Amino acid sequence: DTEVTQTPKHLVMGMTNKKSLKCEQHMGHRAMYWYKQKAKKPPELMFVYSYEKLSINESVPSRFSPECPNSSLLNLHLHALQPEDSALYLCASSQAGQGYEQYFGPGTRLTVT
Amino acid sequence: QQQVKQSPQSLIVQKGGISIINCAYENTAFDYFPWYQQFPGKGPALLIAIRPDVSEKKEGRFTISFNKSAKQFSLHIMDSQPGDSATYFCAASITSGTYKYIFGTGTRLKVLA
Repeated sequence: DTEVTQTPKHLVMGMTNKKSLKCEQHMGHRAMYWYKQKAKKPPELMFVYSYEKLSINESVPSRFSPECPNSSLLNLHLHALQPEDSALYLCASSQAGQGYEQYFGPGTRLTVT
Repeated sequence: QQQVKQSPQSLIVQKGGISIINCAYENTAFDYFPWYQQFPGKGPALLIAIRPDVSEKKEGRFTISFNKSAKQFSLHIMDSQPGDSATYFCAASITSGTYKYIFGTGTRLKVLA
């Protein structure tokens, strides 16, 4: 199984809402990532979890809160987002922290109204 | 020094032609160079990757050429097909030490039938 799954596929939320994005992989990968991708732009790294511990936070605003409940799951909790946060949110996993192929999920298309 | 410069921004190729996308980097610590293919509304998918101890790697119709002295690498798509129409991202990573996984700006390829 070389699949990374993400739910939901689409999400529309108001600026006062609280929602969560979910990501799951069953490849035994020990590194998981959250990326944000705007249209016609490359993925922009947000967070890296290595062995279930947050190892990198790319100065992401606190309205984004990541969580790694176990080695297969990754969540991104959203609260009080801004319209400019509308984007495709991608989850990825890899065998280890770096220098390995990253396997991406299909993403969650988030629209903040 | 952390950037990966990718060109061209967009590319139109006739069916059966060769598509060539180039990337250049400055940081000589990069030692892993993957290419990703992304279709609209989907996450990036790893296409092919190379490490600097080889100058070329071929997988099917896809070839990476790597020039370590020039700090450049390129993706060649032979016999391009309309189904290859997608956005292609190069990336560069450091496999040990400080985490670095930098994506290029992307190339939108359109293969005409």
